[in-house]
Amino acid sequence: QVQLQESGPGLVKPSQTLSLTCTVSGGSISSGGYYWSWIRQHPGKGLEWIGYIYYSGSTYYNPSLKSRVTISVDTSKNQFSLKLSSVTAADTAVYYCARGHAAAGTGEFDYWGQGTLVTVSS
Amino acid sequence: DIQMTQSPSTLSASVGDRVTITCRASQSISSWLAWYQQKPGKAPKLLIYKASSLESGVPSRFSGSGSGTEFTLTISSLQPDDFATYYCQQYNSYLITFGQGTRLEIK
Repeated sequence: QVQLQESGPGLVKPSQTLSLTCTVSGGSISSGGYYWSWIRQHPGKGLEWIGYIYYSGSTYYNPSLKSRVTISVDTSKNQFSLKLSSVTAADTAVYYCARGHAAAGTGEFDYWGQGTLVTVSS
Repeated sequence: DIQMTQSPSTLSASVGDRVTITCRASQSISSWLAWYQQKPGKAPKLLIYKASSLESGVPSRFSGSGSGTEFTLTISSLQPDDFATYYCQQYNSYLITFGQGTRLEIK
């Protein structure tokens, strides 16, 4: 059974960089046919896709966040990570990591982490 | 970007009702659409993929249909556990987008 677990600071100061890691267990992040994504949800709002990475290292980002986002993968640790720079209060959200089924390049998200709340505040 | 619009935003229904939620894409996405159920404080759960394929373990009262720009999620007979928020997601392009959600509440 694949499991994903987000980790990282729950509180980040404005203008700093938000850093989160997703640890994958029960399967290899290097397995073909999947991609690894970050998705966030502002309090009481809908889901916003942030970006994703293939195990090869290829990345795609939401155009609205692209200038501030970096997603990387560490296959040796079976982890992938999110960095979001120059954060403001508008970046306060629950951040989810998820596995996507890449049958058609991208695809549906079949496994999700439990989510971690990140608050941006001084 | 492909915009996804769900309707209604809120739906009130009773246990045993048949309900339908609609998701419209701003351009054709073939059948590259998924549906999720989310309960408060929990991660979304995949229900349907490729517009009409039922995810393993999901009750058969859930079904999806549609192609191109218009899609529906139908729950044939609402159960108490089904009251939640539902989202559609398109994956026709490398830029993924979600619908804004439909909250299904008890009448």
